Amino acid sequence: QKEVEQNSGPLSVPEGAIASLNCTYSDRVSQSFFWYRQYSGKSPELIMSIYSNGDKEDGRFTAQLNKASQYVSLLIRDSQPSDSATYLCAVYTGGGNKLTFGTGTQLKVEL
Amino acid sequence: DAGVIQSPRHEVTEMGQEVTLRCKPISGHDYLFWYRQTMMRGLELLIYFNNNVPIDDSGMPEDRFSAKMPNASFSTLKIQPSEPRDSAVYFCASRGGQGNTDTQYFGPGTRLTVL
Repeated sequence: QKEVEQNSGPLSVPEGAIASLNCTYSDRVSQSFFWYRQYSGKSPELIMSIYSNGDKEDGRFTAQLNKASQYVSLLIRDSQPSDSATYLCAVYTGGGNKLTFGTGTQLKVEL
Repeated sequence: DAGVIQSPRHEVTEMGQEVTLRCKPISGHDYLFWYRQTMMRGLELLIYFNNNVPIDDSGMPEDRFSAKMPNASFSTLKIQPSEPRDSAVYFCASRGGQGNTDTQYFGPGTRLTVL
């Protein structure tokens, strides 16, 4: 089992719709969770961080965390073509400083 | 702040040559990370430093890879000799400072092609 798993996609949604990206992790002691966005040919940039169970909202983005189910998700409301990118889920694993990334989900927002 | 700076942005070399990648972390950050990204394996941690000291190099693929951090503002990743399978994008990231200290910020990356 991979430490951090994501569906590679592509996930296609129409403009204005809600995009839902999912991630599961295997390390039960993990406490810090991140979503990064990566445009083609660019470096990962932080979108959201979440540390507690529940929802965290920032503009059009909502991160959801369920530690009991070892599940993290990212919702993007009112999706725009500019949201088309690969979204990487990242989790600190091993109780230390190693940030483990999922393989990413490619999101395509269609006009 | 200028963010994490990496050089060169692109490197094309021939198999067997030595390659040196450079990174300047964000000022005040005390952790520095080197990652490699390929289509097949995604983003992998190679090594990380805390206060200039290497802490975990378990991700370094072979003895051909080495990394140093002589001071708080500079790190290098060296591959000697390079092989075609080393072709990838290499990212440097840093974290630390006041406030939220566990977010990693990535540099623009170095795209390495070994012919």
